[in-house]
Amino acid sequence: AQTVTQSQPEMSVQEAETVTLSCTYDTSESNYYLFWYKQPPSRQMILVIRQEAYKQQNATENRFSVNFQKAAKSFSLKISDSQLGDTAMYFCAFTYKITGNQFYFGTGTSLTVIP
Amino acid sequence: EPEVTQTPSHQVTQMGQEVILRCVPISNHLYFYWYRQILGQKVEFLVSFYNNEISEKSEIFDDQFSVERPDGSNFTLKIRSTKLEDSAMYFCASSEVRRPGQSYEQYFGPGTRLTVT
Repeated sequence: AQTVTQSQPEMSVQEAETVTLSCTYDTSESNYYLFWYKQPPSRQMILVIRQEAYKQQNATENRFSVNFQKAAKSFSLKISDSQLGDTAMYFCAFTYKITGNQFYFGTGTSLTVIP
Repeated sequence: EPEVTQTPSHQVTQMGQEVILRCVPISNHLYFYWYRQILGQKVEFLVSFYNNEISEKSEIFDDQFSVERPDGSNFTLKIRSTKLEDSAMYFCASSEVRRPGQSYEQYFGPGTRLTVT
């Protein structure tokens, strides 16, 4: 079975500071993809960053970066220089199947950026 | 930038009634999905759809649920006889046809909040 766990239901960070959101997963698959999605209030989920399991280098997208620890099955998201627009629910997601491409989601972390 | 759209944004229905949730995927995408999120719980996979047939479905997707692509643009989820426990946010998603090395990104709609009373 595939599971994704986000242990921080809520977090807050001061504007311009750095925050790290945690995600762990469990799978027996060797090749898979990991994602962080952001869902602003009353808006749709948008992709923040993706990581292919076969790549050792951690993905980065501007202020967003991940710490991917394959052996530990950990996939944390670091947001640097937090901005008010980063306030949102953040979901960690995992997929591996060739067909159907089902995503497995964590329960989400609600991040509030404080001015 | 192309987006997945969903209608309605909020649907209230009485227990036992049929509801149809509508989605317009991104135009060049060929894989379509439905997920749901009960308040306070995880986003859960319901079904994926490709080439006019179900590709995969979860155990949640029982005989009360059905999906259809009635025309070239819409993708619908029908719940035949709603139950109180069907109250949730329902998300539609779409993705491109998979190619070697392609990322597995799915694009999500804003969701339809279904309330069964």
